[in-house]
Amino acid sequence: SQQGEEDPQALSIQEGENATMNCSYKTSINNLQWYRQNSGRGLVHLILIRSNEREKHSGRLRVTLDTSKKSSSLLITASRAADTASYFCATGATGGFKTIFGAGTRLFVKA
Amino acid sequence: DVKVTQSSRYLVKRTGEKVFLECVQDMDHENMFWYRQDPGLGLRLIYFSYDVKMKEKGDIPEGYSVSREKKERFSLILESASTNQTSMYLCASRDKQGLRQPQHFGDGTRLSIL
Repeated sequence: SQQGEEDPQALSIQEGENATMNCSYKTSINNLQWYRQNSGRGLVHLILIRSNEREKHSGRLRVTLDTSKKSSSLLITASRAADTASYFCATGATGGFKTIFGAGTRLFVKA
Repeated sequence: DVKVTQSSRYLVKRTGEKVFLECVQDMDHENMFWYRQDPGLGLRLIYFSYDVKMKEKGDIPEGYSVSREKKERFSLILESASTNQTSMYLCASRDKQGLRQPQHFGDGTRLSIL
C-alpha cells in the first residue's frame, strides 16, 4: 500500500490565493519530501523536512510535519499560474532505503 | 545542476518486443532508480541500483530487468513487452547519502505497447 497519500486529489484556485495540500502516511519516517511535476515532465524536488522538524520554509513554500498524526501539509502562498502542476509527497521510512511517493495533488491556478 | 537524461521522450513498440529504456546521469550519483507512473497510482518503484553492477527489486519488478555496467548509466529492459506495460517511465538518481538526499528525475519516457 502507498505510504504517502495526498489530499485533495485536485485543487483549483485563483491566482493570488493560497494553496494547501495535505499528505498522510502510515509508518515511522526519516524524512518527508515534496516534489512538483509539470505536465509531461519529470519530478522536481521542492523541499525536505526531517522527522525532528515541525516547520520549514522555502520562498513561497511552507511545509509542516506532525509526526504524531503522521501528516504533512504544503502551503503555497500568493499562487501564480506557473504553479499549475501536480505535487507529490514522498517519505523515507526509518531503517529503509526506498522513497515512497503518493498519488499526488493536481493544482490548477487560474490567471 | 544534476542532469538526468532519458534516451527517448516517446516510444511505441509492439507486443512481444524486447524494449530498452536508457538513463544517464552526470553527477556521479551512486543510487539510480526506475519508476513507472500511472494515473491515480503515483510512482511505483520497479528496480533500483545502489552501485555499479548492483541491483535490487522494487515493488513491481515482474516483466522487467535492469543493467548497470557503468555508474552513470542505468538501463531498464522489458524482456517481452505487453500492453499492460504501457506507461510513463521515470528514471532518477540520488547521492549515496541516501534518504536525506533528494532524487533527481529525468523527463520520462512515455511508452506505448501496441
